[in-house]
Amino acid sequence: DTEVTQTPKHLVMGMTNKKSLKCEQHMGHRAMYWYKQKAKKPPELMFVYSYEKLSINESVPSRFSPECPNSSLLNLHLHALQPEDSALYLCASSLDRRSYEQYFGPGTRLTVT
Amino acid sequence: GQQLNQSPQSMFIQEGEDVSMNCTSSSIFNTWLWYKQDPGEGPVLLIALYKAGELTSNGRLTAQFGITRKDSFLNISASIPSDVGIYFCAGQVAGSYQLTFGKGTKLSVIP
Repeated sequence: DTEVTQTPKHLVMGMTNKKSLKCEQHMGHRAMYWYKQKAKKPPELMFVYSYEKLSINESVPSRFSPECPNSSLLNLHLHALQPEDSALYLCASSLDRRSYEQYFGPGTRLTVT
Repeated sequence: GQQLNQSPQSMFIQEGEDVSMNCTSSSIFNTWLWYKQDPGEGPVLLIALYKAGELTSNGRLTAQFGITRKDSFLNISASIPSDVGIYFCAGQVAGSYQLTFGKGTKLSVIP
């Protein structure tokens, strides 16, 4: 089973809203990632969690707040977003940070109005 | 940061034709991955390569890790309509724990 699930599939939020994106995997992977993908562009790394600890933050604005409650779950809390934050948000996981085979979820299509 | 040059940017082919795309860099890579992404979905891992010169197949797909470790190739034989999508190469540069992605090749298959 190489499945990573993400909810919701689509999300529309206003600039004053607070929402959360959720990601789950049951492959026993200990590294989890958040990526942002704009149309016709490759995924851009936002955050990396390794063994439930944040190990990389690619200078992401504080209006994006990641959380890893346990080894299977990864959340991305959103607050006071801007319209330019509209994108496909992808979660991925790998066995650990030394394994480069990353398995992606289907993504959450976020629209900020 | 490291840059991957992926080509072609897009291609239109007739169903049944073979397809080739590649990624090149000025940096040395330890790992090459090839992903396919359908519209509105996440990338799906197709093939992973770990050794220079390695040639790996997955059904009609064949990928190679270039002998110089600075490039990789993906071939699709006898294309079918469901091959349509964007193909991304991704690589791990020596000394880095992160993946660098190419800009993608958009494949269109004409039935």
